[in-house]
Formats: sequence, structure tokens, C-alpha cells
Amino acid sequence: AQSVTQLDSHVSVSEGTPVLLRCNYSSSYSPSLFWYVQHPNKGLQLLLKYTSAATLVKGINGFEAEFKKSETSFHLTKPSAHMSDAAEYFCVVSERGSGTYKYIFGTGTRLKVLA
Amino acid sequence: GAVVSQHPSRVICKSGTSVKIECRSLDFQATTMFWYRQFPKQSLMLMATSNEGSKATYEQGVEKDKFLINHASLTLSTLTVTSAHPEDSSFYICSARPSLGGAADTQYFGPGTRLTVL
Repeated sequence: AQSVTQLDSHVSVSEGTPVLLRCNYSSSYSPSLFWYVQHPNKGLQLLLKYTSAATLVKGINGFEAEFKKSETSFHLTKPSAHMSDAAEYFCVVSERGSGTYKYIFGTGTRLKVLA
Repeated sequence: GAVVSQHPSRVICKSGTSVKIECRSLDFQATTMFWYRQFPKQSLMLMATSNEGSKATYEQGVEKDKFLINHASLTLSTLTVTSAHPEDSSFYICSARPSLGGAADTQYFGPGTRLTVL
């Protein structure tokens, strides 16, 4: 079975400094991996997605993530944090089962951006 | 593109009543929709997979008679919480997977419905 581990439950950065949100996965085959962002009391917005086309994936709002198979990692980065980036971030792996694809969610990382 | 709406966004009801939540894919057709539940400061928990024209598939531990799911069209799925009790209070989020065009493994999420049972 596949699983996702988000290594940090909380991350705090100063505005304008880099962001790193860590995610490791376990999978028996080439997975599809996603990062979603959730602002308070809102649904989830897709930031980016990896599906084996390219290991470095660029997403919306300046975020990107690099798939490293040897490290089974899919860390999310952004060069310069903005106050509006403060939110909950979920790393997700897609698993096929019972005829459809299901999501396996990480436990989430809450990003705090300090002025 | 790929917009999913939910209605209502917030509902307060009395214990023992039933509440219906609608999930709509606005600009795409979705053969498959998913219903999740999210407790405060926690991750999403998959409750069930809703397939258009057939019965929903419930995850282990989710009461199918308690949480009724209907997926009558390619753009609408409903979740009815029957005989709601305070412990059913939660944030319910739906997602939809495009039938065509999008990748088979990508889900687009609605904004969520906050249910409070008094």
C-alpha cells in the first residue's frame, strides 16, 4: 500500500525567504504525486502534479516540486514567501484501487509567514 | 476550468434532522466524485466514492445508512446526513474527477460545507 509522510506539521518562515515543505512517499510503482493548498475554511486548490513527464514540476503561485525517486521524496519549494502563502499544504499520492484512483493524503503542513 | 461547487457552504441543524449537501462540477462532467470529512486541524478522510448511475463505495467504518450518497447525473452528487447528531458536526468536502480531458487520477475539490449539529 502507498503512503505519504509530511515531515513537518508546522513551518514558519519570514516573508521574502525561501519555503521548503517536505514530503516522502512509499509506492510499489511509479506514483502520481500532488501538492494541494488549503486556506482556512476553504476547499483544496491544486498547486502542482507529478506524473513522470519531468522530475521538476512547476506549479501556480511560484511553487515547484522535485520528484526524487532515489530519495522517495517530493518536496515543495518556493524562492520567496508571501504573506498570502500562509495556509495548510497537503502532499498526496494517487493510488489505483477498486477500479478508480483514490488519494492518499499526508497529514498536512501548516505554513506560517512572518512579516 | 475544473470548478467544483458545494451548497450550502454552512449549515446549522437540530439533532435528529437530515441535511443534504450538493456537489456540482460546473464546467466538466464527472463520472466519479468523492466525499471527504475533515476534522479541525486534521487531514481529509475519504468517506465514499460516488459513481454516476451506480451505488457509492463506502470506506471501512463509514455507515452507508447514515451518509446517503446519490450521483444521479454527471455533474451532481449529493450527500445526505440522516438523523444528524452533534458528533456528525464537521467540514465535509467533495471532489470530482473529470470523465474526459483531464488525467484520470486528478481530483478537483469543492470549497467545503461546514455542518454544525446542535
